[in-house]
Order: sequence, then structure tokens, then C-alpha cells
Amino acid sequence: GAGVSQTPSNKVTEKGKYVELRCDPISGHTALYWYRQSLGQGPEFLIYFQGTGAADDSGLPNDRFFAVRPEGSVSTLKIQRTERGDSAVYLCASSDHSSDTQYFGPGTRLTVL
Amino acid sequence: GENVEQHPSTLSVQEGDSAVIKCTYSDSASNYFPWYKQELGKGPQLIIDIRSNVGEKKDQRIAVTLNKTAKHFSLHITETQPEDSAVYFCAVGRASGYSTLTFGKGTMLLVSP
Repeated sequence: GAGVSQTPSNKVTEKGKYVELRCDPISGHTALYWYRQSLGQGPEFLIYFQGTGAADDSGLPNDRFFAVRPEGSVSTLKIQRTERGDSAVYLCASSDHSSDTQYFGPGTRLTVL
Repeated sequence: GENVEQHPSTLSVQEGDSAVIKCTYSDSASNYFPWYKQELGKGPQLIIDIRSNVGEKKDQRIAVTLNKTAKHFSLHITETQPEDSAVYFCAVGRASGYSTLTFGKGTMLLVSP
């Protein structure tokens, strides 16, 4: 079956611009997670959705970052007024209610010039 | 918050040798310990996980051991093959069905033919 998909695979933008990153979780998975991975580091938690609601957004670095999951499936991570320090790979993962296992997508590489 | 230390940062072995990667964690309430393999340009892929009611788990050439008293766990890969070359991450979470993960910084494993 299809795994977690993320679009775009690469995004290059200029400092100050707004970007949206999309995640399509595995069908039927109720939990969805966003992580950020900087070069040479492990993934760092950003936000977790249970259904449509953000159950834990404690990892969002500041109020320029926002994420939604309006229908409990696809999620969009939104970054306003991008800064060069936002450059990283943004990873999405999903899991179902009966398992702790998180399945990751391929990530979106964001480059802010 | 949880703090995860992973060692070594790089590991070079000859094909057929064994490889061991170690992680320590700080939060005694953590009880879910997955290991992920990440190849270049791809998202992390779960290779094995263990929960705190188990001391060891094996899956073919891969095994994980857990010492909950000392708060450390290890990944063991036997009979390494060139295709095992990748970055390996340990992670720590709570086995509650939904859990954010805290990752180590990763170990780059290089298996030479």
C-alpha cells in the first residue's frame, strides 16, 4: 500500500517569503507528526495531530510556524516570513491508534536563500 | 525534557563484522525505543523497536538490548553487508499509542566490502 507522501520534495524560497509543505499520511492513520531535521542531526519534533486537532504543538519554534489538518487526513505546515535558519528537511510521520510505530515520509527539503 | 545521547557518531566496519551502536536517555518514564535507518535523500525507516517490558529483541541480523535501570539501549547488527551502510538513529518515546519521539544525533555506518 501507499506510504506517507510529502510534497514538494524540494522547495527553494527567498528570505521573507511564505511557504506551505504538504503531508499525505497513510490511509486510516489518525496520528500525524511533523519533525524538522537539520544537516547532521536527528529529527526534532514540531507538532502532533490526533485527528483534526493539534494535540501537542510544543515543538514549534515560534509563531511563524503553523500547521493544520482540517479533515483529519492531509496536513499542511505553513511557515511565514521565512528565515535562512528555517532551511532543513521537514519530515512527516503517521501512526494508527493501535501502534506506537511512526512511518515517515521522504521529507521536503526547504532552502531559504 | 528527554535527552538522548548516541555513540559513536561514525562507525566503519568490514563486511561480515558486527556493528554496535549505543544510546542513553534521561527520562525514566520513557518506555518505547525504536531504531531507524536513513539512507541519503530518504526518510527514516523503522528497523526494530523494543518496549521496556522486554530486555532483548531480535530480527534476523538485527538485535536491540535494553537496560532500563541504567537507561541505555543498543543496536547490534551482525554479518554486516555493504547495503547496511546508512545513518542509524535511536529514538525514545512513551508506548501509549501516540508518542512524540526524541531522537539521537545519528551514527553513520560504513560497511566496506
